[in-house]
Amino acid sequence: GEEVAQTPKHLVRGEGQKAKLYCAPIKGHSYVFWYQQVLKNEFKFLISFQNENVFDETGMPKERFSAKCLPNSPCSLEIQATKLEDSAVYFCASSKTGVTTEAFFGQGTRLTVV
Amino acid sequence: AQSVTQPDIHITVSEGASLELRCNYSYGATPYLFWYVQSPGQGLQLLLKYFSGDTLVQGIKGFEAEFKRSQSSFNLRKPSVHWSDAAEYFCAVAAGSGAGSYQLTFGKGTKLSVIP
Repeated sequence: GEEVAQTPKHLVRGEGQKAKLYCAPIKGHSYVFWYQQVLKNEFKFLISFQNENVFDETGMPKERFSAKCLPNSPCSLEIQATKLEDSAVYFCASSKTGVTTEAFFGQGTRLTVV
Repeated sequence: AQSVTQPDIHITVSEGASLELRCNYSYGATPYLFWYVQSPGQGLQLLLKYFSGDTLVQGIKGFEAEFKRSQSSFNLRKPSVHWSDAAEYFCAVAAGSGAGSYQLTFGKGTKLSVIP
């Protein structure tokens, strides 16, 4: 497709529940990035993929967060045992090359942990 | 580590007035610089980018930005603001941990309000 598609748009989870977010990158784009936008507009880089391979996971909280990009499937970001502080908007972006020459962002998934 | 500072949290301008949003970056090498706009409840839209060459770059919606290495700045400008420009604006720098994927480091954004 011609846009980065993120689903769902909104997700509400009770503390301790699992949350799974999906991202379909633009067709032909090899790189996928996940960012977390918390209150006060702070963007935090989480992880990036080159095709199905993790390229940079320096921003990922190791304990409860995991992500995958499998062939012929949307990429996913999963949070096990959500906490209140995980409430944020999670953005996915894709780009053709890794230098984010044209990083196209999805509309985001708003996760609310109650 | 790289960082981006947007000194102005909130700016209000009258429709038709000129606009300048400030951005300062800290990065050891030649930066890749971006300006994105985010409307309420929306994703990020790329306005313009600077990689190399001409330090004055033109973007969409009539925006331009000037890269000044000596001042570590990449300020966004528009000669005449429209009411539809009201949004949150983010400056970002791309830095890599190696060849290939470059993550973006964002500033905290400047909210632009436009008075009719």
